Amino acid sequence: GQQVMQIPQYQHVQEGEDFTTYCNSSTTLSNIQWYKQRPGGHPVFLIQLVKSGEVKKQKRLTFQFGEAKKNSSLHITATQTTDVGTYFCAPNRDDKIIFGKGTRLHILP
Amino acid sequence: NAGVTQTPKFRVLKTGQSMTLLCAQDMNHEYMYWYRQDPGMGLRLIHYSVGEGTTAKGEVPDGYNVSRLKKQNFLLGLESAAPSQTSVYFCASSGLGLPSYNEQFFGPGTRLTVL
Repeated sequence: GQQVMQIPQYQHVQEGEDFTTYCNSSTTLSNIQWYKQRPGGHPVFLIQLVKSGEVKKQKRLTFQFGEAKKNSSLHITATQTTDVGTYFCAPNRDDKIIFGKGTRLHILP
Repeated sequence: NAGVTQTPKFRVLKTGQSMTLLCAQDMNHEYMYWYRQDPGMGLRLIHYSVGEGTTAKGEVPDGYNVSRLKKQNFLLGLESAAPSQTSVYFCASSGLGLPSYNEQFFGPGTRLTVL
């Protein structure tokens, strides 16, 4: 079946540094969503990518969907303390969203 | 609008006890979901519902039952709680259209401990 791996599992960065998390699939994806969960909070939808090679930006966040639609990435430029949390990719599997294990981002002041 | 609400927020059970978690949404969403979140495991789908009166199994359904008697409510039941069911439980909902293409709105979660 479809295997999705999200890397890294944890990331510590200095405030102001960039951060990237990757979501890799063994099979072609129809679409993929990204969610953010603050510590102690609940997941919140960030974005959905559908087209091959798609790039979407939200302020300092850049989301990409690979040309082969087998991988996706989230890049944060110049991290801030408000970026702390866990970022989940959630690809489509059998017409349901299945969440990756997430990347936990820690910001060092 | 309250969005998605869950009750209770916290609960401690003894092994073998039963309980029901309640999820309510006021967005008139068709789809509702129950997830559990364990450290390092992400979110795993327990059961879901595509409309009033319908339910279906997710990735980890064993030990749980669900009911959707009203469109706005989705109940998750544990008939005989086990320590392995200690987790944080999230309910979510999404609107019309394929669930895989719709944004999911999550409730604040229920932290359940089974001793």
